[in-house]
Amino acid sequence: GAVVSQHPSRVICKSGTSVKIECRSLDFQATTMFWYRQFPKQSLMLMATSNEGSKATYEQGVEKDKFLINHASLTLSTLTVTSAHPEDSSFYICSAEDYGSPNEQFFGPGTRLTVL
Amino acid sequence: RKEVEQDPGPFNVPEGATVAFNCTYSNSASQSFFWYRQDCRKEPKLLMSVYSSGNEDGRFTAQLNRASQYISLLIRDSKLSDSATYLCSRGSTLGRLYFGRGTQLTVWP
Repeated sequence: GAVVSQHPSRVICKSGTSVKIECRSLDFQATTMFWYRQFPKQSLMLMATSNEGSKATYEQGVEKDKFLINHASLTLSTLTVTSAHPEDSSFYICSAEDYGSPNEQFFGPGTRLTVL
Repeated sequence: RKEVEQDPGPFNVPEGATVAFNCTYSNSASQSFFWYRQDCRKEPKLLMSVYSSGNEDGRFTAQLNRASQYISLLIRDSKLSDSATYLCSRGSTLGRLYFGRGTQLTVWP
């Protein structure tokens, strides 16, 4: 089956630092990847749609300068949380849409970010 | 108004029970709906897609009511391993998914 990996799985950082999270599709090509954020006991909130070779599309209320997304290849998208603060602490999950099977998304295992 | 609303529960049921969850959505133009299962601190995993009037997969049945804009998930003969959070979602353009906050289910022996 299709596998999506995320790295790192967990990160703890000081306030003000930037954190990069990688999302990779391991055995398929993904022209589109999605980034979600989930606070405890809350729903997954779609943050942005990442398209290979073009700018990401952000959902309303998500700061594009705060959450930088780069989708440089068909198997890799990165999310950089710039100048992270404690309120950015959350579970970040990516998903990838299989180029060969559109409308089917595969989720990565998530990255738990804690900002001190 | 949120895109997708769910009763967060928790639902606590004994093994063998039948349990049903409902989920309402606000966008009447929505065409695709999904139920996901999420275990604690894990990523969501697709349980069922709901495309038309509903579908069944073993002990799980999903129903779609377009007139009332809700989808439901019915679990029959609950197992201990069914304990998880169940998320409903609706699909949007360009593959985007909008999720409810999830309904927590605990099945006890």
